[in-house]
Amino acid sequence: DAGITQSPRHKVTETGTPVTLRCHQTENHRYMYWYRQDPGHGLRLIHYSYGVKDTDKGEVSDGYSVSRSKTEDFLLTLESATSSQTSVYFCAISVGRSIMNTEAFFGQGTRLTVV
Amino acid sequence: GENVEQHPSTLSVQEGDSAVIKCTYSDSASNYFPWYKQELGKRPQLIIDIRSNVGEKKDQRIAVTLNKTAKHFSLHITETQPEDSAVYFCALIGRRALTFGSGTRLQVQP
Repeated sequence: DAGITQSPRHKVTETGTPVTLRCHQTENHRYMYWYRQDPGHGLRLIHYSYGVKDTDKGEVSDGYSVSRSKTEDFLLTLESATSSQTSVYFCAISVGRSIMNTEAFFGQGTRLTVV
Repeated sequence: GENVEQHPSTLSVQEGDSAVIKCTYSDSASNYFPWYKQELGKRPQLIIDIRSNVGEKKDQRIAVTLNKTAKHFSLHITETQPEDSAVYFCALIGRRALTFGSGTRLQVQP
């Protein structure tokens, strides 16, 4: 599993509340990603990081922010949760020296329900 | 950004038959094309990948072919078994991250 863990695994939250999901890795990999998975949409990229304090937006970044103050942790924050953000969230890391020559490993996923 | 289209969205085959899933893409700069398998309730896991300098790669019952000129790549599963039932995703490396297709739900009927 490339030493990647997500927390929490399940969460139910109310509309309008902030939520933070954590992705933790133990092997000092540079590249980390957050995806959301919804039926019929596959895995869509929310944000990604190339290293400490180096982050960028993916295709569905509205309503989300990220932080990476340490190599091992990549945090995803929903500033004010909405029902449309109910989804399964996967963190992933790329194992390799270059983004163009690498295999990705996924965390176990976090099932988030916004009520 | 990068775009990858995957077909079919669902596929049902009889045990022992072959299954083929196809993906097309638009970014000619892409040069790494992995395939992931996701079983129900589990995380996606890499099953095979191919790089742009290779036209075909095999690993036991699975194979991937790549046609860079036509910008499509395909996953082939032969002698399908019930344990092959899962959702399969194609992907490619975009400018900065993996971009995924929308997935194919494969059902192998015993």
